[in-house]
Amino acid sequence: KNQVEQSPQSLIILEGKNCTLQCNYTVSPFSNLRWYKQDTGRGPVSLTIMTFSENTKSNGRYTATLDADTKQSSLHITASQLSDSASYICVLGRGTYKYIFGTGTRLKVLA
Amino acid sequence: NAGVTQTPKFRILKIGQSMTLQCTQDMNHNYMYWYRQDPGMGLKLIYYSVGAGITDKGEVPNGYNVSRSTTEDFPLRLELAAPSQTSVYFCASSSRGQGDEQYFGPGTRLTVT
Repeated sequence: KNQVEQSPQSLIILEGKNCTLQCNYTVSPFSNLRWYKQDTGRGPVSLTIMTFSENTKSNGRYTATLDADTKQSSLHITASQLSDSASYICVLGRGTYKYIFGTGTRLKVLA
Repeated sequence: NAGVTQTPKFRILKIGQSMTLQCTQDMNHNYMYWYRQDPGMGLKLIYYSVGAGITDKGEVPNGYNVSRSTTEDFPLRLELAAPSQTSVYFCASSSRGQGDEQYFGPGTRLTVT
């Protein structure tokens, strides 16, 4: 069983709509939790970072939340754009070199 | 800054062939990593390095080798390629470990037939 599970696996929304992606984890403890955006054919790029004691972090239209009690994080995208079409990956940083990657959610934004 | 660069972008190998995937970073980062990304799976760590001359195995090191002779370069060597090594390979770097932001290269798509 993966230590970091993401849902849904894929999602299709219309441009301008909001959406929320989920990340459930069993990893404990951890240094921080990041959300990455991965465009097709490219490497992941960091969107937000939260330490285990933070509840929320925003980056423009992207807002990440973290609930340490339920071991859940979410990424909320507001007023989606076509350029938001990508995979979104939840990553927990742990220890000196250890990063635990979720399986990702593939988002498609349609015009 | 170019960030993290990888070559080649695509490669097709026959079973039993060998090749080296190149990775270079120009951010003077101490930590470098090699991951593979298989469809529907999270990135898996193959090898990592905490500085020039120091490398160590990750989760899935079998069939691979690395070296780190300089801070900038971290090549990944595949010996005796097998179909199970068909994947997308990403090189990444970070200033330190401990959850620091990783900067990823564009990836190398490798097919072994």
